[in-house]
Amino acid sequence: DAKTTQPTSMDCAEGRAANLPCNHSTISGNEYVYWYRQIHSQGPQYIIHGLKNNETNEMASLIITEDRKSSTLILPHATLRDTAVYYCIVGGANSKLTFGKGITLSVRP
Amino acid sequence: DAGITQSPRHKVTETGTPVTLRCHQTENHRYMYWYRQDPGHGLRLIHYSYGVKDTDKGEVSDGYSVSRSKTEDFLLTLESATSSQTSVYFCAISVLGLAGGPVVGELFFGEGSRLTVL
Repeated sequence: DAKTTQPTSMDCAEGRAANLPCNHSTISGNEYVYWYRQIHSQGPQYIIHGLKNNETNEMASLIITEDRKSSTLILPHATLRDTAVYYCIVGGANSKLTFGKGITLSVRP
Repeated sequence: DAGITQSPRHKVTETGTPVTLRCHQTENHRYMYWYRQDPGHGLRLIHYSYGVKDTDKGEVSDGYSVSRSKTEDFLLTLESATSSQTSVYFCAISVLGLAGGPVVGELFFGEGSRLTVL
């Protein structure tokens, strides 16, 4: 499975959009981009996934570049409860997903 | 909520003792996974299962074994616990969806089992 690269941490102001970048330059054609987050010591929570097209759900939007080598997770109106570690993962359908260290997002009041 | 329960949630044991962690699901999902999480390492896959009696190794499988004798239960066993296995263990299941093409899965995680080996 392809590897991903994320910054270690970032912060944003409450109410503003949080844009979390991810590089996956070795992604192959049949691999999806998944995003998960983990709040404090809870189990990770699925957010969104995509293959080629941009995706949006009630939690976030996923923007994938045309060459699929990078993506951005967008939380449109960050709240304090969005403070968490966010994991960007790539993998084929039904493959075992390998989590890296993720990016720590801190939302400040 | 995908109906996942882990037990025990907390356990303290001594080096050399056997330990079994249980992951139970109520919705007959085929794929189940065991991860461990340690500071500085993120989540690492230990073993996974793609059906009854069908299991395979993940990236950190040494020192662990698993069994899946029925769909709803996936057991993780430490035959002889060591201090390096002190960790938080997460079970996950894969919920499959039909997309008119390749099947795409998303993982639902349990609440974790905190194991301390003294």
